[in-house]
Amino acid sequence: SQQGEEDPQALSIQEGENATMNCSYKTSINNLQWYRQNSGRGLVHLILIRSNEREKHSGRLRVTLDTSKKSSSLLITASRAADTASYFCATALANQAGTALIFGKGTTLSVSS
Amino acid sequence: DGGITQSPKYLFRKEGQNVTLSCEQNLNHDAMYWYRQDPGQGLRLIYYSQIVNDFQKGDIAEGYSVSREKKESFPLTVTSAQKNPTAFYLCASSGTGAISPLHFGNGTRLTVT
Repeated sequence: SQQGEEDPQALSIQEGENATMNCSYKTSINNLQWYRQNSGRGLVHLILIRSNEREKHSGRLRVTLDTSKKSSSLLITASRAADTASYFCATALANQAGTALIFGKGTTLSVSS
Repeated sequence: DGGITQSPKYLFRKEGQNVTLSCEQNLNHDAMYWYRQDPGQGLRLIYYSQIVNDFQKGDIAEGYSVSREKKESFPLTVTSAQKNPTAFYLCASSGTGAISPLHFGNGTRLTVT
């Protein structure tokens, strides 16, 4: 079951520009997490936002959550070539303690210098 | 350094052979997970374990088996019953609780010919 869907599938920008990725999900969640994956590597956790939070910041990252629309967005400001990677949202379902995260298909971000 | 070690990084097998992928963690995490990733796709959950000697099937468990005899180890066996085993396999661990982020290994790329 694919809970989250990222949009766009691919994004190409210039260094210094902002990158925005969106994630939509289907059922009620406990929290939503964003991960980054460099090519051929494992995923790295970036940020977690709980269902009762609307916005969260971490360095150049800003995450928003709209539970009424079942959607989240990840904004990377002042992007760098090193931000080139795939970004995935993952959801932890509400009222289901002990279940695993469900991942979307990801957005591939390419930042050129 | 604490982390998750997956070995080997690349694995080649002939069709019809079982193969076991190793996953070891020294993060003292209770929960461990196996995901499969196909090109351009998100992660799909194979099996997960919340505690030693207990594990649950994920969305695509058919053709796979696991064991959790030790807290640190969660090996995955890809059996000959798995129809399309060539993929990138990712192991992860986390603390218990819905807000615990996943820590990933760097994956094993399995090619079956």
